Amino acid sequence: EAQVTQNPRYLITVTGKKLTVTCSQNMNHEYMSWYRQDPGLGLRQIYYSMNVEVTDKGDVPEGYKVSRKEKRNFPLILESPSPNQTSLYFCASAPASYGYTFGSGTRLTVV
Amino acid sequence: TQLLEQSPQFLSIQEGENLTVYCNSSSVFSSLQWYRQEPGEGPVLLVTVVTGGEVKKLKRLTFQFGDARKDSSLHITAAQTGDTGLYLCAGNYGQNFVFGPGTRLSVLP
Repeated sequence: EAQVTQNPRYLITVTGKKLTVTCSQNMNHEYMSWYRQDPGLGLRQIYYSMNVEVTDKGDVPEGYKVSRKEKRNFPLILESPSPNQTSLYFCASAPASYGYTFGSGTRLTVV
Repeated sequence: TQLLEQSPQFLSIQEGENLTVYCNSSSVFSSLQWYRQEPGEGPVLLVTVVTGGEVKKLKRLTFQFGDARKDSSLHITAAQTGDTGLYLCAGNYGQNFVFGPGTRLSVLP
């Protein structure tokens, strides 16, 4: 089944404790992206990647890191999480310009 | 400033009614997508339109891309409670995608 898989689905962590949210797609898509979704603010892009080893900042990159060492994987790293990074996170992939397939989301709470 | 504006922001209707939601921009997009999102889940792609003036139908849903490729509409005929959700439009802008803020639709039984 074609899909984008994110893990974990839910995560509660403490301020400052490094964490990684994994994202993997099995559709051989070049384009991958991370978004956060907050009430009243909609989907905001954090980082995106056009292909392996090519990443670029989105609208809200502060406090996040990404890497794209393989085409299928695009992990999101929070080196020192803070409470304002509490949010619902989505990974997505796309073949060129024809629309995203989204993962099921990761609900992160930083206390 | 939002590149994509959506209207209305909220819409509540009775089952069986028709409705249209809009996605507008002052920018030209090479393609535009519509998604539906249910609470706590990822958005699901409904359609991609790429040609100005294009009309696509998906059962009771009709999507139109404006002639100038700056706007789009989604029309739902005889809405059902299962149509309830957040409808998002997104456009290709350069090498990236941009999303509108969404229209939250409630279809009441």
